Amino acid sequence: DTAVSQTPKYLVTQMGNDKSIKCEQNLGHDTMYWYKQDSKKFLKIMFSYNNKELIINETVPNRFSPKSPDKAHLNLHINSLELGDSAVYFCASSHPGQGSYEQYFGPGTRLTVT
Amino acid sequence: AQRVTQPEKLLSVFKGAPVELKCNYSYSGSPELFWYVQYSRQRLQLLLRHISRESIKGFTADLNKGETSFHLKKPFAQEEDSAMYYCALHTGRRALTFGSGTRLQVQP
Repeated sequence: DTAVSQTPKYLVTQMGNDKSIKCEQNLGHDTMYWYKQDSKKFLKIMFSYNNKELIINETVPNRFSPKSPDKAHLNLHINSLELGDSAVYFCASSHPGQGSYEQYFGPGTRLTVT
Repeated sequence: AQRVTQPEKLLSVFKGAPVELKCNYSYSGSPELFWYVQYSRQRLQLLLRHISRESIKGFTADLNKGETSFHLKKPFAQEEDSAMYYCALHTGRRALTFGSGTRLQVQP
């Protein structure tokens, strides 16, 4: 009955590789997000997406791309991984159309680039 | 641009002591503010939001538009309150802007 799930939980990979992190929500929400939490625990929005609009944080390198096969999924694909990409990545969802901006978070994916 | 400031990286108190985690924001519009909590090795979860004016787990937060603050308070800290606390601001662009977080450590 997990509301927002992410796979994998841990991901260790080498520089230069391409990897994807998957996110699924079963809340019927129309908007999903990706956040990056760095080593200092600072949380920063990377993308927000619904079926009409993708909003990209302009500081995110274009090696990062969100892919949404349907409303319940928003995957994060990363090309040419760099050491600085090591972080915890959180997926979240919300349904602003219901008048609530509360976001529900996934458990996070800890990415380590070696 | 919107900004959320949490000036304390770490706040350490003894059990039973009052707690105040500070949050200031910068936003020209009408803000919607939240406190999220992240317990050790768990996901972020909503603690409370200013529009609800509720008390959750003994915590309260009042929006002060004059001081642009949304400080989180609890009169008597418990050990289980130890966690990372994030203040967050929602603006019209859907996503949340988070502060840098404050680690609350409640000692026995």
